[in-house]
Amino acid sequence: AQKVTQAQTEISVVEKEDVTLDCVYETRDTTYYLFWYKQPPSGELVFLIRRNSFDEQNEISGRYSWNFQKSTSSFNFTITASQVVDSAVYFCALSEARNTDKLIFGTGTRLQVFP
Amino acid sequence: SAVISQKPSRDICQRGTSLTIQCQVDSQVTMMFWYRQQPGQSLTLIATANQGSEATYESGFVIDKFPISRPNLTFSTLTVSNMSPEDSSIYLCSVEDLGGGEQYFGPGTRLTVT
Repeated sequence: AQKVTQAQTEISVVEKEDVTLDCVYETRDTTYYLFWYKQPPSGELVFLIRRNSFDEQNEISGRYSWNFQKSTSSFNFTITASQVVDSAVYFCALSEARNTDKLIFGTGTRLQVFP
Repeated sequence: SAVISQKPSRDICQRGTSLTIQCQVDSQVTMMFWYRQQPGQSLTLIATANQGSEATYESGFVIDKFPISRPNLTFSTLTVSNMSPEDSSIYLCSVEDLGGGEQYFGPGTRLTVT
């Protein structure tokens, strides 16, 4: 069965610290997609990244970077030099090729960045 | 990415009543989705709404409780029927970007049932 685990319920850091949010997934499919979304206090869900299972290259976008490792079924998200505006709940999600419409979300990690 | 709006943004309703939530997209999309996010919880897919056909419901969700309409390619509604306090949640609609496969979400409707 498919599952996404975000073991870190809440993380607190001080501005300018680096922080890594962990995501571990389970799937029987060989083709699948992984996502990260940000949910700031205002409530809307902001798409950050989509990665397919055949692309294990790490990705960097500004202060954000993602580390995808199939060997450990992990898709971790690192924020470098965190800022107060990064405070939000971050969700990792999975969809399988047999049903790409259905996103299976993890329980989310609440990140608080203090000035 | 598509721009998605939802109405109402929030509402407080009495138990036993029904609320219809609207989702409008600024471009034509094939698939629209409805999710529920209970307080402090993750998102759960309620149903997939295709234009011109019945919505497809996930396990644990039924049409009588959450009827969905999809009259055209830019609009959908979700009704939460015969509400109870357990229905207090954020309800979000989303659409799929056919080019990249990402789902983009509306701002959500925050529902409180008293």
